[in-house]
Amino acid sequence: KAGVTQTPRYLIKTRGQQVTLSCSPISGHRSVSWYQQTPGQGLQFLFEYFSETQRNKGNFPGRFSGRQFSNSRSEMNVSTLELGDSALYLCASSGDRVGTGELFFGEGSRLTVL
Amino acid sequence: AQSVTQLDSQVPVFEEAPVELRCNYSSSVSVYLFWYVQYPNQGLQLLLKYLSGSTLVKGINGFEAEFNKSQTSFHLRKPSVHISDTAEYFCAVSLIQGAQKLVFGQGTRLTINP
Repeated sequence: KAGVTQTPRYLIKTRGQQVTLSCSPISGHRSVSWYQQTPGQGLQFLFEYFSETQRNKGNFPGRFSGRQFSNSRSEMNVSTLELGDSALYLCASSGDRVGTGELFFGEGSRLTVL
Repeated sequence: AQSVTQLDSQVPVFEEAPVELRCNYSSSVSVYLFWYVQYPNQGLQLLLKYLSGSTLVKGINGFEAEFNKSQTSFHLRKPSVHISDTAEYFCAVSLIQGAQKLVFGQGTRLTINP
């Protein structure tokens, strides 16, 4: 069974640009969550989608958005990039409808903003 | 709101020695508890979880953790570590309802010396 796949793995952008990150969950998993990991703030929850609906949202500005498609694949978008958006963005999928917190993580997309 | 405190940012130990990584949490409602491990340049992998029942939980790679409700702790232990255990370890909690949203501690970097 293939794991969670995130693309691209690495990318460099400049301030003011926008970026779209993609996540393909484990086959059969309908929940996809996104986390931001930085040395200063650690791991922070961005949002979670289940069956194309946003079910939970973290405390991030509106520049951070996401969506989920009917095949459970998910994308997140960050507009008007700032230097502080440089981070590892982790996607995680889960097969639990109710949710027991067992998440399967991808290897992440490392974003550098110059 | 929930919060997680990992009491040690770095823990150096010698190979084959025992180790304990400490985690305390704060929550006004019942939570699920987790330990995840992150190897260099990889995503997170679930080590073990406490949902209910026995307070001693066994996980992968010989790790175990004990849930202590009165002390709101969930410390991770391994009786004998190996070089391959070198990684960053994250304690996390989630609400029982809406459990896909994890709140992580800041992480403990475990370094194994030969």
